[in-house]
Amino acid sequence: DTGVSQDPRHKITKRGQNVTFRCDPISEHNRLYWYRQTLGQGPEFLTYFQNEAQLEKSRLLSDRFSAERPKGSFSTLEIQRTEQGDSAMYLCASSPRKTGAYEQYFGPGTRLTVT
Amino acid sequence: AQSVTQLGSHVSVSEGALVLLRCNYSSSVPPYLFWYVQYPNQGLQLLLKYTTGATLVKGINGFEAEFKKSETSFHLTKPSAHMSDAAEYFCAVLGNAGNMLTFGGGTRLMVKP
Repeated sequence: DTGVSQDPRHKITKRGQNVTFRCDPISEHNRLYWYRQTLGQGPEFLTYFQNEAQLEKSRLLSDRFSAERPKGSFSTLEIQRTEQGDSAMYLCASSPRKTGAYEQYFGPGTRLTVT
Repeated sequence: AQSVTQLGSHVSVSEGALVLLRCNYSSSVPPYLFWYVQYPNQGLQLLLKYTTGATLVKGINGFEAEFKKSETSFHLTKPSAHMSDAAEYFCAVLGNAGNMLTFGGGTRLMVKP
């Protein structure tokens, strides 16, 4: 396994612009998660996919946020009309399909700075 | 709903000393518990997990944790700190539906030479 990868690693954008992040999970992991981590805090759950189905969304995921996993492989997270409060590290994680395997494997994250 | 409390946002130990990072959880169902470590500007790496069975679990890098149901705790320990252990540590509990993780606020471990 090559691990979870995320692109880009860093993104600086101006307020009001749209941004899109990509996550490639560990191959054959059918579950994919997005979390947001602000400075000095633990990660907070945003959303979760099982294969291509988005099964849960946090209240943190406002209307400006949308996530997709079109073929059950990679996922994208888009933020429209970015605000300074969106500045954070966005973490992606995946977990395998095996029964009883509950651990999540995290990628390196995308650090977003909104100026 | 689950919640996790990590007592002590910063812990400082000397190299070679015992490391003890505290985690208490709240869960309405038998908890699945995890410890992750995060180095600067990196993602989270799984240290160890408790799901069922033995309450003392061993992880990577010499860390271990003990699940104590009566105390709703899952404290992380390491007998002898190494400089490379300096990082942020997060305790987490798995949600009822077996999907989302709820994390504590983290504890920054500093190791003095």
